[in-house]
Amino acid sequence: GESVGLHLPTLSVQEGDNSIINCAYSNSASDYFIWYKQESGKGPQFIIDIRSNMDKRQGQRVTVLLNKTVKHLSLQIAATQPGDSAVYFCADPGGLAAGGTSYGKLTFGQGTILTVHP
Amino acid sequence: NAGVTQTPKFQVLKTGQSMTLQCAQDMNHEYMSWYRQDPGMGLRLIHYSVGAGITDQGEVPNGYNVSRSTTEDFPLRLLSAAPSQTSVYFCASSLVNTDTQYFGPGTRLTVL
Repeated sequence: GESVGLHLPTLSVQEGDNSIINCAYSNSASDYFIWYKQESGKGPQFIIDIRSNMDKRQGQRVTVLLNKTVKHLSLQIAATQPGDSAVYFCADPGGLAAGGTSYGKLTFGQGTILTVHP
Repeated sequence: NAGVTQTPKFQVLKTGQSMTLQCAQDMNHEYMSWYRQDPGMGLRLIHYSVGAGITDQGEVPNGYNVSRSTTEDFPLRLLSAAPSQTSVYFCASSLVNTDTQYFGPGTRLTVL
C-alpha cells in the first residue's frame, strides 16, 4: 500500500550544526507534504509544508526540499538548538489533485528522533 | 483561543469498560480528526469529520465510535476497551480546504 517513510529513526547532532531529516514517499500522486515536530508529551506541531509545484521552501531556520523524481523530501534545520530536540514527522494528505484537500486525513511516517547535544 | 483541548490527560481502564475521550476546539474549524500513536510509530487515523453531523472512518476505526453534533466538539467513544487500545490519542482540527492540522495535547490511555 501507499506509505510515507523515513530513512533513519534517530539523528544526533551537536548544537550549532545543521540537521537534515529525510522522508521517502511511495504515492507518485502525492502533491503536498507537511512536516510536524512533536516534543515529548505534546501533540505534533506544524513546522512547514510544501506543494509539488515547488522544489524548495524556506521558513525560519528550516528548509524543505522536494525531489519528485525520486519521491523524496528532506527537512533541513540550520544552526540546530537544544530546543529542536523532538520527533519529526513528514505527513501526506494522500495524493490529492492540486487544490484538493485531505478532509482532515493525514498519513504520517514513523518519525525521526532528533537529539541535539549542547 | 485555547486551540484544541483534550480531556482527560491520563486514563486507566479495565478490559471491557467504556469511556469517552473529549475533544473541543474554539477556532471554528470544520475538519476534526482522531489519531492514535503507539510507541515508536507515527500517528494513525481513527475517525474524522468534515463538519457537524458528518463522520467517516480512517485507517483503524474498529472499536471506536464518534459523533459530531456541534462544530466545536468531537468525542471519541470506546464501548468495550481492550488492551490493544492502550495508546496515546490525539485530536486535531483544521479549516475547510486546508491540510494544516492543529493537534491537541493528547490523552494517554492504558487498558489493563
